[in-house]
Amino acid sequence: DIVMTQSPATLSVSPGERATLSCRASQSVPSYLAWYQQKPGQAPRLLIYAVSTRATGIPARFSGSGSGTEFTLTISSLQSEDFAVYYCQQYNDWPWTFGQGTKVEIK
Amino acid sequence: QVQLQESGPGLVKPSETLSLTCTVSRYSINSGYYWGWIRQPPGQGLEWIGSIFHTGGAYFNPSLKSRVSISLDTSKNQFSLKLISVTAADTAVYYCATGSPLLYWGQGALVTVAS
Repeated sequence: DIVMTQSPATLSVSPGERATLSCRASQSVPSYLAWYQQKPGQAPRLLIYAVSTRATGIPARFSGSGSGTEFTLTISSLQSEDFAVYYCQQYNDWPWTFGQGTKVEIK
Repeated sequence: QVQLQESGPGLVKPSETLSLTCTVSRYSINSGYYWGWIRQPPGQGLEWIGSIFHTGGAYFNPSLKSRVSISLDTSKNQFSLKLISVTAADTAVYYCATGSPLLYWGQGALVTVAS
């Protein structure tokens, strides 16, 4: 199985600041990397797929980058609605696997 | 857009079978996509359980493979999850979802395993 490791576990950021979340895969997943946002009591929402493509309706302040085994989700200027848990997921190979999540909290 | 809704018992006894159904709206499950299940134990992260393609081919998480099955009911535009021999560790919110990656999600159904 491909193990996805996210860091940090918790990120404390002030509104308006930039947030950078990392995701590492135990083996290469080429471009089959997605990011999801989950708020309490809600289902996850797809933010980014194919490493860097924003899903429909996702604001431009969310961007993804990386390749191979190292990936990054950047939120350029945090808004109040962005405080949530973020998960990366590889869909290059079965079984699909998620990272353990990064919680972005208000500083 | 595609809509999904989970349904099934919220309480299952240990050693029994967990059964959930996902009803799909605004899209025919015959038309394509992988149809899958993901779960989230309370306070924990997401775990992919398995996915079935519209042609019937399926993939499962190796950690659950011996206990899980997923099936399609094209006449009702539904797909279902069965997990046998459940324990308290199977207590979780169960989501159905579709896409590759997972673009459309149901709202989730909490299933508690307890006697």
